[in-house]
Amino acid sequence: QKEVEQNSGPLSVPEGAIASLNCTYSDRGSQSFFWYRQYSGKSPELIMFIYSNGDKEDGRFTAQLNKASQYVSLLIRDSQPSDSATYLCAVRRYGGATNKLIFGTGTLLAVQP
Amino acid sequence: EADIYQTPRYLVIGTGKKITLECSQTMGHDKMYWYQQDPGMELHLIHYSYGVNSTEKGDLSSESTVSRIRTEHFPLTLESARPSHTSQYLCASSLAGLGNGYTFGSGTRLTVV
Repeated sequence: QKEVEQNSGPLSVPEGAIASLNCTYSDRGSQSFFWYRQYSGKSPELIMFIYSNGDKEDGRFTAQLNKASQYVSLLIRDSQPSDSATYLCAVRRYGGATNKLIFGTGTLLAVQP
Repeated sequence: EADIYQTPRYLVIGTGKKITLECSQTMGHDKMYWYQQDPGMELHLIHYSYGVNSTEKGDLSSESTVSRIRTEHFPLTLESARPSHTSQYLCASSLAGLGNGYTFGSGTRLTVV
């Protein structure tokens, strides 16, 4: 079992719909959670991070965290074709000297015009 | 705009050549990372550094080496390039702290012929 699991997709949604991207993690000691967007041939860029249970909103993006279920999600409202990309979930464990993020394999999102 | 720079952006080189991929950041980040990523595939951590004179191998075995003589500079060297080294190499940096994600450079796409 991988530490951070994502469905590889592709997740296809029509333009204007809500895209829901999901991520589960195995280490209960994980403390903070990040969502990155990666366009084809480009490097990942940070969209949001969250470390408290509940929702965090930033524009069209909402990150949701449920530590009891070890589940983090990213909602994209009013999806646009320009949102078509691979979305990477990353998790940082608690404690120690390590600052490493553990990345999932990513979910490919395709927004259909 | 990210303040982490990778050069060259693209490199085509013959088998057996020695190459150095450059990575520099101007953000004062103490932690730096090298990832390898094939097209459409997941990120693989190959090296990381927590500060000057600190380097560690990552999760993916790599024939490359790194050095960290200055905080801002984290070059990656391949002593003898092979076609199996053909990939995209991404450099990233971060500060310590749960809420600090990685900032990625634009990457170097390496092709060994």
